[in-house]
Amino acid sequence: GAVVSQHPSWVICKSGTSVKIECRSLDFQATTMFWYRQFPKQSLMLMATSNEGSKATYEQGVEKDKFLINHASLTLSTLTVTSAHPEDSSFYICSAYPIGQGTKDTEAFFGQGTRLTVV
Amino acid sequence: GNSVTQMEGPVTLSEEAFLTINCTYTATGYPSLFWYVQYPGEGLQLLLKATKADDKGSNKGFEATYRKETTSFHLEKGSVQVSDSAVYFCALRVGAAGNKLTFGGGTRVLVKP
Repeated sequence: GAVVSQHPSWVICKSGTSVKIECRSLDFQATTMFWYRQFPKQSLMLMATSNEGSKATYEQGVEKDKFLINHASLTLSTLTVTSAHPEDSSFYICSAYPIGQGTKDTEAFFGQGTRLTVV
Repeated sequence: GNSVTQMEGPVTLSEEAFLTINCTYTATGYPSLFWYVQYPGEGLQLLLKATKADDKGSNKGFEATYRKETTSFHLEKGSVQVSDSAVYFCALRVGAAGNKLTFGGGTRVLVKP
């Protein structure tokens, strides 16, 4: 199946610093990628939809100035957590659909996730 | 709006036991339904899917049938293994790929030898 790779897998940063998480589709192109946040023992909450070449669409309640999303190419989307605080500590997961497979049957491919710890 | 409700865990079973995880949904359109599995420290992997009523998705011994009349998509496996220990997420998507997935809360399953 198609592969989505996130980097880094885990990161520890100090409060007030910024952290960038990359999401790459390794063997397919994607015009749309999704960023989710998962708290311990909880479900995935969609944060934003990343659109190649245009602005991301954020879900209600997600601070767009804090969680900067850039989708510069058809294989790369980045999420930057700016001025991180301990409450931003979480598991961040991205997903993507291959271009041209826009049917009801198409599955989303997920990255392995990035665990962010802010100290 | 769209929502997915699944039974809360954790579910603890012995090896070779029968597993059922209930999932019900509400949707504004005609959704596709999915089960994803998450192993510790990893992202999500698609386990199975169904795109229309009465479809049965199956994979690795797991099955789920799309029941429109009861708006359900319950996951079952007849004989679980220790390696099935994971968190299972039921999800729906309305429309084609490119639309967002709506997830249930997840059910943690622990299989003991």
